[in-house]
Amino acid sequence: KQEVTQIPAALSVPEGENLVLNCSFTDSAIYNLQWFRQDPGKGLTSLLLIQSSQREQTSGRLNASLDKSSGRSTLYIAASQPGDSATYLCAVRGDTGGFKTIFGAGTRLFVKA
Amino acid sequence: KAGVTQTPRYLIKTRGQQVTLSCSPISGHRSVSWYQQTPGQGLQFLFEYFSETQRNKGNFPGRFSGRQFSNSRSEMNVSTLELGDSALYLCASRRVPQETQYFGPGTRLLVL
Repeated sequence: KQEVTQIPAALSVPEGENLVLNCSFTDSAIYNLQWFRQDPGKGLTSLLLIQSSQREQTSGRLNASLDKSSGRSTLYIAASQPGDSATYLCAVRGDTGGFKTIFGAGTRLFVKA
Repeated sequence: KAGVTQTPRYLIKTRGQQVTLSCSPISGHRSVSWYQQTPGQGLQFLFEYFSETQRNKGNFPGRFSGRQFSNSRSEMNVSTLELGDSALYLCASRRVPQETQYFGPGTRLLVL
């Protein structure tokens, strides 16, 4: 059974700092991994999607990496801004058992101005 | 281009009642997935529909059901509501075979 863990659960950083959010999963038989952000009381916004055959994806100040063999992904945020404050969730879509999507519990990020 | 829309946005029901939630995907997206989000359990997958057929199902009791119409709009139904069904219900659509999911704002259900 796939389990997805995100560390840390919460993070507070000063504006301008570079930071890394971690996601680990127990079953390496994945189809893809997606990073989302969620603002309080809102839906999810897709940030980056990495296919199982890829190692990383970049979008602006965001870079996500994937190491399937070790069951890990990281989301790197460069030059953080107060507007980056949100909960960041990673979601793993398996390639067996019906391609279900399993979410981690998220990392709550607060960027101080 | 309009995003995923969900109606209603807020709902209050009492135990034992049933509820129907609606999701309209982005135009051209034929896959719709439903998720339940609670503080205790986080985001959990309910089911996915594609071409009016349920393709995947999460570990929820049979009280949770759904369907998809020919225009790709989807509904989910929860019968015999329990207090523990209070949650934010999110739907997401994607353009098959692309994998990126686009989420709606959710329906917040409170069961009293």
